[in-house]
Amino acid sequence: DAGITQSPRHKVTETGTPVTLRCHQTENHRYMYWYRQDPGHGLRLIHYSYGVKDTDKGEVSDGYSVSRSKTEDFLLTLESATSSQTSVYFCAIRPETGGAEKLFFGSGTQLSVL
Amino acid sequence: AQSVTQLGSHVSVSEGALVLLRCNYSSSVPPYLFWYVQYPNQGLQLLLKYTTGATLVKGINGFEAEFKKSETSFHLTKPSAHMSDAAEYFCAVSGDSNYQLIWGAGTKLIIKP
Repeated sequence: DAGITQSPRHKVTETGTPVTLRCHQTENHRYMYWYRQDPGHGLRLIHYSYGVKDTDKGEVSDGYSVSRSKTEDFLLTLESATSSQTSVYFCAIRPETGGAEKLFFGSGTQLSVL
Repeated sequence: AQSVTQLGSHVSVSEGALVLLRCNYSSSVPPYLFWYVQYPNQGLQLLLKYTTGATLVKGINGFEAEFKKSETSFHLTKPSAHMSDAAEYFCAVSGDSNYQLIWGAGTKLIIKP
């Protein structure tokens, strides 16, 4: 997916350990989002950012924190991973002009918490 | 508040048959509606969208969807299924701000040879 890269693509970790997922964009878009995808739930918004150092919570933010110190990077941190956080995590970006139809998604990170 | 219901977590059709994936929404404001497709081990890709204007929307790969306000529906169709259409399909509606999307649970499309 040109313009947006998620790392790592796969991660296996143990309960109680911290985990950081990275989303990197080369589009200079203002808005960045973290979603989790679980069977039967579709995508659910965890956190989003509307600029450097400007972030806000989504509908499932408990247990997650984010940081955006540069336009191009949006980090998602699980301070102490739990098995319920096993999921596929997607980052998305959107330019300042245009609405939700301008969202562009990364390829996802498969996280397994054992 | 907006919500989206996709009927059927799995839909199986034969190659060459009609594809129909159902999506119903609720919205207190005029909705923007979207269908996304996710191929195995890939991110989500916009298939088509309805914002305003013509209620029959054509998307990529021969898919189309019709916005029916009276039925609060936005079903996705394709006249003839191809093996390459096997994927998971998500319907979404814009939130109040038009910047956030409310997602359906997804429908996995299975194509039988």
